[in-house]
This record gives sequence, C-alpha cells and structure tokens, in this order.
Amino acid sequence: KQEVTQIPAALSVPEGENLVLNCSFTDSAIYNLQWFRQDPGKGLTSLLLIQSSQREQTSGRLNASLDKSSGRSTLYIAASQPGDSATYLCAVIGIGNEKLTFGTGTRLTIIP
Amino acid sequence: NAGVTQTPKFQVLKTGQSMTLQCAQDMNHNSMYWYRQDPGMGLRLIYYSASEGTTDKGEVPNGYNVSRLNKREFSLRLESAAPSQTSVYFCASSAGAGGIQYFGAGTRLSVL
Repeated sequence: KQEVTQIPAALSVPEGENLVLNCSFTDSAIYNLQWFRQDPGKGLTSLLLIQSSQREQTSGRLNASLDKSSGRSTLYIAASQPGDSATYLCAVIGIGNEKLTFGTGTRLTIIP
Repeated sequence: NAGVTQTPKFQVLKTGQSMTLQCAQDMNHNSMYWYRQDPGMGLRLIYYSASEGTTDKGEVPNGYNVSRLNKREFSLRLESAAPSQTSVYFCASSAGAGGIQYFGAGTRLSVL
C-alpha cells in the first residue's frame, strides 16, 4: 500500500527566504506526483504536476523535483512572501489506477 | 469560472439521519471523486467515477453511496449518519485518469 509522508508538519520562515518542502513515498511505481496548496477553510488548488518520466517542473517561483527511484519529491519556493502561507500537500497516483494518495501536508507560515 | 461546486457548505446532522452532498463540475471532465479530510489523516478517497455511469470504491467507502447522475454531477449519500462521519468532504474532477484534479470548496459536516 502506497504511503506518502511530508516532514516537517509545520514550518515558519522569514519573508524573502528560499525554502524547500519535502515529500516521500514508499512505492516508486507512480504515474505522476502532484503538489497542492490549501488555504484555511478552503479547497485544494493544484500547483504542479510531474509525470513519472520527468525530473522537475517549474511555475513562477515554484519548482518541484522528482526522484522516483528514491521515492522523493521536493517543492522549492523562491523569495517567499506572506501570501505563500498555506498548507502544502503532495499526492501520488499509482500506475494503472485513478487514486491519488495524499500526504498529511506541511503547514507553512511566512513571517513578515 | 465556477469549476467544481459543492452544496451545502455546512451541515449538522443527528446520528441516524440521512443526507446527500451534491457536486457539479462545468469543465466537461470525465472523472469525479469524493474525499474526506480529517485532522492527522490527510485526504482519503471515498468513491470515484471514471466516467458517466461507472463508480468504484476508494479507500474508505463504508457508510456511503454515490450516484453519477450525468457527466456534470456526482452525489454522495450518507444513509444513516454516524459521529465517525464528522469530517470535511471534498469533491474533485479531472479530465481523465492521472490528470490534474480540481477541487471544490468543501462541505463541513458534523454528526452529533
């Protein structure tokens, strides 16, 4: 059974710093990996999707990497801003199925 | 720009009552999903529908039923609510298997 872990559960950094969020998964037979953002009391917003054949994806100040063989992904946020404060979740889809398996998320606070 | 719409946003039920959570998407997506989100557990898949007329169980289907009414709508029914079903419920849709999932704003359900 696929398990997805995100450590740390919470992270606080000063505004302007670059930061890395971590995601690990136990079964490397994945179809893709997705990073989401969730604001308090809201639904999830997709940030980046990395196909299993890709090593990284970029969108603005966000860069996500994937090392399938080691079961790891990182989300890099450059020049952090208070508006980046949210919970960030990663999720993987296994090959041949529709099911996203989610991590429990990292709650990020950017301190002005 | 409606995307995925869920109703109601909040609901309080007594143990044993029934209710239906509604979900509609306007993106012409084939796949639709129901998740529940509990503190410390992350999001867990309840049921999904890969296409109109098909439904499949996810990780935690017990106590729930679903109906894919048409391509746009996917409802989740609690026949006899239990306190263990107190949670935040999210509906999502995607163009197809492995695609980016788009989430609704959620339904916050309390069962007393």
